[in-house]
Amino acid sequence: GAVVSQHPSWVICKSGTSVKIECRSLDFQATTMFWYRQFPKQSLMLMATSNEGSKATYEQGVEKDKFLINHASLTLSTLTVTSAHPEDSSFYICSARVVRINEKLFFGSGTQLSVL
Amino acid sequence: AQTVTQSQPEMSVQEAETVTLSCTYDTSESDYYLFWYKQPPSRQMILVIRQEAYKQQNATENRFSVNFQKAAKSFSLKISDSQLGDAAMYFCAYKRGAQKLVFGQGTRLTINP
Repeated sequence: GAVVSQHPSWVICKSGTSVKIECRSLDFQATTMFWYRQFPKQSLMLMATSNEGSKATYEQGVEKDKFLINHASLTLSTLTVTSAHPEDSSFYICSARVVRINEKLFFGSGTQLSVL
Repeated sequence: AQTVTQSQPEMSVQEAETVTLSCTYDTSESDYYLFWYKQPPSRQMILVIRQEAYKQQNATENRFSVNFQKAAKSFSLKISDSQLGDAAMYFCAYKRGAQKLVFGQGTRLTINP
């Protein structure tokens, strides 16, 4: 099956620093990648949709200047949390859509971000 | 906007028995997909089963099956012969075409040995 690699698995950073999370589709091309945020014991909340070569579309209430998304190639999307604060601590998950197979989404293993 | 509702925050079942997780959704569309995802303690999202709305036949994957009632907008998951490894959060989800996946609130399933 298709594999989505997400890195790092966990990261601890100081308040005010920026953190980059990578999401790679290893054996397929992903025209669209989705970034989710998940708080403990809650569901996944979509943050943004990124399409290769174009600007990401952010969900209402998500600060696009704080959560920078880049989708420069068909196999890589990155989420950068800028000037991180403790309230940004969360579990972030990416998923990728297989080209021409709209209903198939594959998930990365997630990144636990802890901001001190 | 489409919404997905899971009314059971927690469920428990004895090992080897059968359990059914409930899910309802709201949409005005006729062509869409429904999913059940499992999220174990590792937090990796795992696709359990998928149903195309245009198919009347309920999807089945080994011990997992669904009861898809399109008119009632209901999509329940039945797990037969429950195993300890089935313990996880289960999320029901809706998707139409290339649009985003909309998740329910989740149901935490506990398997009692």
